This record gives sequence, structure tokens and C-alpha cells, in this order.
Amino acid sequence: AQSVTQLDSQVPVFEEAPVELRCNYSSSVSVYLFWYVQYPNQGLQLLLKYLSGSTLVESINGFEAEFNKSQTSFHLRKPSVHISDTAEYFCAVTPYNQGGKLIFGQGTELSVKP
Amino acid sequence: KAGVTQTPRYLIKTRGQQVTLSCSPISGHRSVSWYQQTPGQGLQFLFEYFSETQRNKGNFPGRFSGRQFSNSRSEMNVSTLELGDSALYLCASSLAREDEQYFGPGTRLTVT
Repeated sequence: AQSVTQLDSQVPVFEEAPVELRCNYSSSVSVYLFWYVQYPNQGLQLLLKYLSGSTLVESINGFEAEFNKSQTSFHLRKPSVHISDTAEYFCAVTPYNQGGKLIFGQGTELSVKP
Repeated sequence: KAGVTQTPRYLIKTRGQQVTLSCSPISGHRSVSWYQQTPGQGLQFLFEYFSETQRNKGNFPGRFSGRQFSNSRSEMNVSTLELGDSALYLCASSLAREDEQYFGPGTRLTVT
């Protein structure tokens, strides 16, 4: 079985400060890794993904995540956050042999204050 | 290209009734997955359909069922509604089963 743990349920941060949202996973098989973002009253949007290759992946809006196989982690970082980054962020995995199934963490609520 | 659409967006039902939710995937996408989102349990996988066949199922009772049509549109049905079924139901589609999933806006179901 697989599980995803997001270590912080809420992360308050001031605008222009750096932020890290932590994600650890447990799986007996290899997995694909994802970060999704959910704005209030909306569905989920894919932020970035790790399928293979370089362990550092980047999104178009300045977020990046690094896959660490030995620590089974996929932490999300941004060097300088903006008010508009306020949202809930979900880490998720798909086992290689279970395409179509996302297993989500409990989510981290990022609150950016002016 | 149009995104994933879900209808209806909001629904209020009474305990014991049944409900059908609809999902139209992005054109060309053949995999459709369903998720339930609640404050207490978070996002939980319900089931996935690919080429009209259920390929994967989560840990939900048999009251939750679904199907996929030849045009890849999908429906999910919940029978004998319980108060605990109140949730946001999200549908997602992908080109192939291992690709990233694109989510619709969800259907907010309230059971009274």
C-alpha cells in the first residue's frame, strides 16, 4: 500500500519570504510524484510532476520540487512567495502499476500575508 | 481545448435518495478518475475508467458505482445516500493512465 504525508497542515508566511512545503511518501513500488494546488471553490490544478530523469522539477510560476529517493520525499519550495500563492497544496503519488489512481496527502494550507 | 466539465455543480439530496453525477473529459482523453473530497478524510480515490472498463477501485462501499461511455464521458452513481456522503466530488481525465490528471471544478453534494 502507499501513503503520503504532508508534514504541515498550515504554513503562514509573509510576502516575498521563501517557503517549503514538506511531503514524504511510503510505497513498496516505484511511484510518479505530483504537486497540485487548489484555490478556494475550485478544482485542482497540476503544479508540477516528477516522472523520471532530473530529480529537480520546476513550474512556470517559480515553484520547484526535488525528488529524494533515499528519503522518499518530494518537498515543494519557492524562494519568494506572493499573495496570490495563498491556496491549499496537495502532494500526490501514482504507483507505476496503478495508472489513473492518485493517492493524496492531507494538504497544506499556505497563507501568504502582506 | 475545453477543460473537464462536471454537471451539476451543486446538488442537494435527502438521505436515502440516489444521485448521478456526470463528467465530460478533455477531448481525446480516455482515462477518467473520480475522487471524493471532505474536510475530515481529504481527497480519496473512488475509481478509474479507461476504454469503458473500470481499471481500479478505491475503498468505498458498493453504493458508489460508475460507468464510462464510448465517447469517454463518465457518470458516477451513489445509491441510498447517507449524511456522510456530503462532499465535493471531483472528476479528472488524462490522455493515458500514467499521464497527469486534469481536474474538473467538482460537484458539491449536500445530503440532508
